[in-house]
Amino acid sequence: DVVLTQSPATLSVTPGERISLSCRASESVDTYLHWYQQKPNESPRLLIKYASQSISGIPSRFSGSGSGTDFTLSINGVELEDLSIYYCQQGNSLPYTFGAGTKLELK
Amino acid sequence: EVQLVESGGGLVKPGSSLKLSCVASGFTFSSYGMHWIRQAPKKGLEWIALIYYDSSNKYYADSVKGRFTISRDNSKNTLYLEMNSLRSEDTAMYYCAKWGGYWGQGVMVTVSS
Repeated sequence: DVVLTQSPATLSVTPGERISLSCRASESVDTYLHWYQQKPNESPRLLIKYASQSISGIPSRFSGSGSGTDFTLSINGVELEDLSIYYCQQGNSLPYTFGAGTKLELK
Repeated sequence: EVQLVESGGGLVKPGSSLKLSCVASGFTFSSYGMHWIRQAPKKGLEWIALIYYDSSNKYYADSVKGRFTISRDNSKNTLYLEMNSLRSEDTAMYYCAKWGGYWGQGVMVTVSS
């Protein structure tokens, strides 16, 4: 199974700063890597698909990059509403797997 | 607008069975593969099952293989998850999903004596 390792586990942020979240795969997943945001008691929301493709309705401050085994989700100018948990997920090979998540908290 | 609405969750005892449903609307259900994903309390997301658009192929996570069965009725726009031999570790919120960012609101399954 492909193991996705997200880092850091928790990130303390200040509104307005630019941040990067990492997702590393145990083997290549090409660009079949997607990013989700999940707030408490809500379903996950897709932010970025296929490593870098934007999603309609998602603020432009969210962007993704990477291919193969190393991926990054960037938030350019964190807002308070962005405080939540972020998961990466690979869709390259079954079983599909998720990372353990990165929690954004207020510094 | 794509909508996915799960139902059928509840509190059950270890070893018992439960069948979840997910009614889809807003897209041509019979043209898309569908997934079940779960999330244990305060834990991360776990993909558990996939069914092709025509039910020709089904795939499962090892954690549920042999106990859970995914199925669908395209005439009713409905996805199912039949869960047998339930264990305490199956306690979770269960989501149905269509890849591309469409998830239901989830249904809670609690397995406890």
